[in-house]
Amino acid sequence: DADVTQTPRNRITKTGKRIMLECSQTKGHDRMYWYRQDPGLGLRLIYYSFDVKDINKGEISDGYSVSRQAQAKFSLSLESAIPNQTALYFCATSDPRSSPTDTQYFGPGTRLTVL
Amino acid sequence: KNQVEQSPQSLIILEGKNCTLQCNYTVSPFSNLRWYKQDTGRGPVSLTIMTFSENTKSNGRYTATLDADTKQSSLHITASQLSDSASYICVVSCEGSQGNLIFGKGTKLSVKP
Repeated sequence: DADVTQTPRNRITKTGKRIMLECSQTKGHDRMYWYRQDPGLGLRLIYYSFDVKDINKGEISDGYSVSRQAQAKFSLSLESAIPNQTALYFCATSDPRSSPTDTQYFGPGTRLTVL
Repeated sequence: KNQVEQSPQSLIILEGKNCTLQCNYTVSPFSNLRWYKQDTGRGPVSLTIMTFSENTKSNGRYTATLDADTKQSSLHITASQLSDSASYICVVSCEGSQGNLIFGKGTKLSVKP
């Protein structure tokens, strides 16, 4: 969905490096999410935010941190990257005011490789 | 434990044929069930969503069914096209579990000419 953008789209980094993945949305949604997807596994929730002042841990938050700089921006940081954080990372947005079932709209993903 | 299981893991069909993908879940309390389509290298896109009271919903050539008693759902694709080649992900939402969706591992569908 072009309304949700992620940068970078691909990144290769080394163990121990700090890295930030960025997500921006033009949908005007309050809720934003970060997921990771590994081969053979379903998407797993890392962090989510229901508004600018709200940050919540998901299923697998260890080793990650987030920042909600504005309604439209939600960044995911790996303070000290390790190889098992190699994965495909997705940002998503939703707004229960526009969708009673709170459908999530996903960005195109960031492929992260940690060597 | 809340879980979503999908079958088959992968499926190859010829263009123009129909197919059915399965989803079984143990999520409780149930809120809704969604099917997403994920093209290679792209983010998932919502196809259908069903609440407890709905037992079928269509979106073009895609028809989803839900049996809340047996906790099973299926996604039927009619007259498949090459562009249907993708992973199809079943996602179940817990009632009252804000932000927590349970994702299946997906079924990888390949449509061959």
